[in-house]
Amino acid sequence: SQTIHQWPATLVQPVGSPLSLECTVEGTSNPNLYWYRQAAGRGLQLLFYSVGIGQISSEVPQNLSASRPQDRQFILSSKKLLLSDSGFYLCAWSRQSAGTEAFFGQGTRLTVV
Amino acid sequence: KQEVTQIPAALSVPEGENLVLNCSFTDSAIYNLQWFRQDPGKGLTSLLLIQSSQREQTSGRLNASLDKSSGRSTLYIAASQPGDSATYLCAVGPFGFNKFYFGSGTKLNVKP
Repeated sequence: SQTIHQWPATLVQPVGSPLSLECTVEGTSNPNLYWYRQAAGRGLQLLFYSVGIGQISSEVPQNLSASRPQDRQFILSSKKLLLSDSGFYLCAWSRQSAGTEAFFGQGTRLTVV
Repeated sequence: KQEVTQIPAALSVPEGENLVLNCSFTDSAIYNLQWFRQDPGKGLTSLLLIQSSQREQTSGRLNASLDKSSGRSTLYIAASQPGDSATYLCAVGPFGFNKFYFGSGTKLNVKP
């Protein structure tokens, strides 16, 4: 069966510090990978998605970047965090075929202070 | 761009009631629609996936319907229980793209 791991679960970082959140998927190959952010009281906003190694599409301009160094690894990064980067970050995967189900990790609660 | 709306934003019902959660989307050119459950501080759990060619899907006490032409989906929960208390999210997969757009969710509270 497939599983998705996301870490850390919670993170408190000062403004201006770097960020690295990691997501890995097990039990499948060549998945589509996604990073979402959920701000307090708001819906999920798609930040990045990837259909293959080194292929990253950005949905919104922002202070964050994403990378996919391996087939089942997706990393969300920032060089300098802003207060507005605080939120709940969720990684997800789906199969390559269009119209397939999406599966989510347990999320990372990021607080920038 | 696809816009997804969920009504109501919050709902409180006594245990045992049947209830309906609504989801609407602006662009009917979709691959699928997926309903999720989110418990506080947790990730999303997939409940039901409806392909664009389908009218409904059922899982236990849950039934989701899709009317693509009118841009609407409903999630029906039968005989609600306190354990059903959570936020319910719908997500739409646009035709031709491998990504999902979410509504802002309905927060459900089922009172014992």
